[in-house]
Amino acid sequence: DADVTQTPRNRITKTGKRIMLECSQTKGHDRMYWYRQDPGLGLRLIYYSFDVKDINKGEISDGYSVSRQAQAKFSLSLESAIPNQTALYFCATSDATGEGETQYFGPGTRLLVL
Amino acid sequence: QKEVEQNSGPLSVPEGAIASLNCTYSDRGSQSFFWYRQYSGKSPELIMSIYSNGDKEDGRFTAQLNKASQYVSLLIRDSQPSDSATYLCAGPISSNTGKLIFGQGTTLQVKP
Repeated sequence: DADVTQTPRNRITKTGKRIMLECSQTKGHDRMYWYRQDPGLGLRLIYYSFDVKDINKGEISDGYSVSRQAQAKFSLSLESAIPNQTALYFCATSDATGEGETQYFGPGTRLLVL
Repeated sequence: QKEVEQNSGPLSVPEGAIASLNCTYSDRGSQSFFWYRQYSGKSPELIMSIYSNGDKEDGRFTAQLNKASQYVSLLIRDSQPSDSATYLCAGPISSNTGKLIFGQGTTLQVKP
């Protein structure tokens, strides 16, 4: 089984709808992240969480919210989806121990907002 | 100004050649860097991490870090068509924050 899973893998929704993307991990990592990827713009950080009680905004948090339900679960919500939120969304985890902060990515969720 | 910059490419090399991918960064305090490979439509996967000045080799891959010049590179020897992908360079926003800044990625094409 994959260490970092994301559901759904693909989602089509309409403008104004609320949707939730879910991420689960079995790596036992404390730190979790949500990124979006757009062509030519690389990966941009939306939100990150260093433990269940610690939630932080990334560089592009407007229009998004998150919930850290447990160490292993981190959900991203779009309260009222808009077309420019169409993108590929990745969840990632990292372990604060050791040198550096290697991040491990889930398979991604492809979101289309009509 | 972007904190981690890469040439988006595409970089095209013949099979068997050495591919050289480069990345520059602006934060002199950055201590660790990562190279990820991403196939089209797939998630990034870690290839190499480097924390010290100099070279680090792993199979056909060599990462090079030069903190004085603020650049990090990835060399791929004996390039194969299966190496064709986008390569993302990433560095920490600052030490011990856990946050990474990713470059926009360089697309590598290895032609048989």
